[in-house]
Amino acid sequence: GNSVTQMEGPVTLSEEAFLTINCTYTATGYPSLFWYVQYPGEGLQLLLKATKADDKGSNKGFEATYRKETTSFHLEKGSVQVSDSAVYFCALSDRGNNRLAFGKGNQVVVIP
Amino acid sequence: SQTIHQWPATLVQPVGSPLSLECTVEGTSNPNLYWYRQAAGRGLQLLFYSVGIGQISSEVPQNLSASRPQDRQFILSSKKLLLSDSGFYLCAWEGSPGSSYNEQFFGPGTRLTVL
Repeated sequence: GNSVTQMEGPVTLSEEAFLTINCTYTATGYPSLFWYVQYPGEGLQLLLKATKADDKGSNKGFEATYRKETTSFHLEKGSVQVSDSAVYFCALSDRGNNRLAFGKGNQVVVIP
Repeated sequence: SQTIHQWPATLVQPVGSPLSLECTVEGTSNPNLYWYRQAAGRGLQLLFYSVGIGQISSEVPQNLSASRPQDRQFILSSKKLLLSDSGFYLCAWEGSPGSSYNEQFFGPGTRLTVL
């Protein structure tokens, strides 16, 4: 079945550092890929998406490229801010079953 | 524009008491609706989804149930809460015109604590 794997453990980094969160997936067919962000005490917000291979999603300085050859959708930001502290979820949708498959999420803590 | 509401925002209930959480969506028709649970420090678990009025699919066997009495209303219920039902409950919708295929939009969530 479809699944998403995110790197283990929280990510702690200093303000203005470069952020990478790895996401790999297993899917049949041609899924759409998403990154969601969850700020403390809130629901999930869609951060960016890509619907086909080689698409690059971008928003708020974050980017992720849909890599079919490596089945990956890594999230990057060149210079993080304290306000980027949140939990980030990678997700995959399979057009066949009305559901999203989520990764376990990564807590990102940005220190001033 | 479309909006999604959940209430209550927080809830503290004793073990064995009933539960009713409500989710409503505005600005769309015939959306797919979803209930997720997020336990402390963990990822999202899909509990139920619905593709139409009265149509409920259960993902995980448990003491929770869901109903969809109206097109844009989705209710999560329990007759007797367990300690393990504590968590953050999120409702989501998908399928409105203007949204990308399979993209889901989440409500603000309900924080449930069972004591």
